[in-house]
Amino acid sequence: GESVGLHLPTLSVQEGDNSIINCAYSNSASDYFIWYKQESGKGPQFIIDIRSNMDKRQGQRVTVLLNKTVKHLSLQIAATQPGDSAVYFCAETDSWGKLQFGAGTQVVVTP
Amino acid sequence: DAGVIQSPRHEVTEMGQEVTLRCKPISGHDYLFWYRQTMMRGLELLIYFNNNVPIDDSGMPEDRFSAKMPNASFSTLKIQPSEPRDSAVYFCASSPTGGSLTEQYFGPGTRLTVT
Repeated sequence: GESVGLHLPTLSVQEGDNSIINCAYSNSASDYFIWYKQESGKGPQFIIDIRSNMDKRQGQRVTVLLNKTVKHLSLQIAATQPGDSAVYFCAETDSWGKLQFGAGTQVVVTP
Repeated sequence: DAGVIQSPRHEVTEMGQEVTLRCKPISGHDYLFWYRQTMMRGLELLIYFNNNVPIDDSGMPEDRFSAKMPNASFSTLKIQPSEPRDSAVYFCASSPTGGSLTEQYFGPGTRLTVT
């Protein structure tokens, strides 16, 4: 697939450990913040979103935290598995669904 | 459901040639998005449609790029003439009406190489 990972920050995580992926966003007026996962050679895949009036949202094995004071978004993955190895993108949007993606973080899960 | 379908998966062409990328969205999805992904610029929205009508094309780089959606099940992105800097992976995505449009379903992409 596209070599998007060559210059991306990399997070190396041992299998079974928890992962925390961080993202700084720029637009205080964004209504939603979203996390996408992209495996090599595939299109991005939606993971979870959070509305701007929330601080925390949980999904299956994932938790997204939003700190509007410092414009910071994080994705926590519990019990990281080999299948979690991918590039993770944060994105922000207004209500019209026009997503603005960040640069991405490469997550490598080691046995 | 087969998901979003894109064709071709790979395209290699010479500078100056016309390139047409194709997309079939998920049936019942009213929104269709075209993105471009490069190492330098990341993932960028080019244009999106709602009910076959272009809503926002502000991301289209220049007049060489055009997109159409003649019906609910088909869209094309055309580059004429193509240039080496157009080399990228082009993704099509679709989304149903009624949500926040944050959950977009991406196709596998078309890797375009312009020599």
